[in-house]
Amino acid sequence: AQTVTQSQPEMSVQEAETVTLSCTYDTSESDYYLFWYKQPPSRQMILVIRQEAYKQQNATENRFSVNFQKAAKSFSLKISDSQLGDAAMYFCAYNNYGQNFVFGPGTRLSVLP
Amino acid sequence: NAGVTQTPKFRILKIGQSMTLQCTQDMNHNYMYWYRQDPGMGLKLIYYSVGAGITDKGEVPNGYNVSRSTTEDFPLRLELAAPSQTSVYFCASSYSLPVGGSGDSTDTQYFGPGTRLTVL
Repeated sequence: AQTVTQSQPEMSVQEAETVTLSCTYDTSESDYYLFWYKQPPSRQMILVIRQEAYKQQNATENRFSVNFQKAAKSFSLKISDSQLGDAAMYFCAYNNYGQNFVFGPGTRLSVLP
Repeated sequence: NAGVTQTPKFRILKIGQSMTLQCTQDMNHNYMYWYRQDPGMGLKLIYYSVGAGITDKGEVPNGYNVSRSTTEDFPLRLELAAPSQTSVYFCASSYSLPVGGSGDSTDTQYFGPGTRLTVL
């Protein structure tokens, strides 16, 4: 069974600085998707970024980028120029083109003014 | 395009009561999901559906039932509510294409706003 691990329960970053959130996963599949979701205090789940495993190029969405290391099964999220609105729980998730999404336990990010 | 909608937003139940959490999506997604999120925890899959008429159990299905009579709706039924079912419930949907499919090939899950349920 696939598993997703986020080894940092909590992280903090100074406003305007850069922070990297870690995610590792375990799978025997070769094709799959990886996601980062953000959950602010409102509890809404918001998609931040997605990556297809067959693509070597790392996905980027404005200030958010990933470092996808397929061989190492690592999928970290980098947030540049951190803003107060980035404070939230961040969940890493995996899906292998099937019905089952597997979520990590989450990392709580605090942004310090 | 409203996306995924859930009702109610909040509900308090007494032990032993029953209720149905409603979920509707207007994106013509074939896959739909129900998750629960306990305080300070991640998401756990309760049930999912890969299309109308097809449902299957997730990680924590006990105490719940689902049905999928249409593509749009995926209600979650709680029978005999228990305090352990106090949680926030999220419905989600996604559209899956076969590997190598073209067009909008996203498998991204789109989430509803959640239902906060308390069982006393």
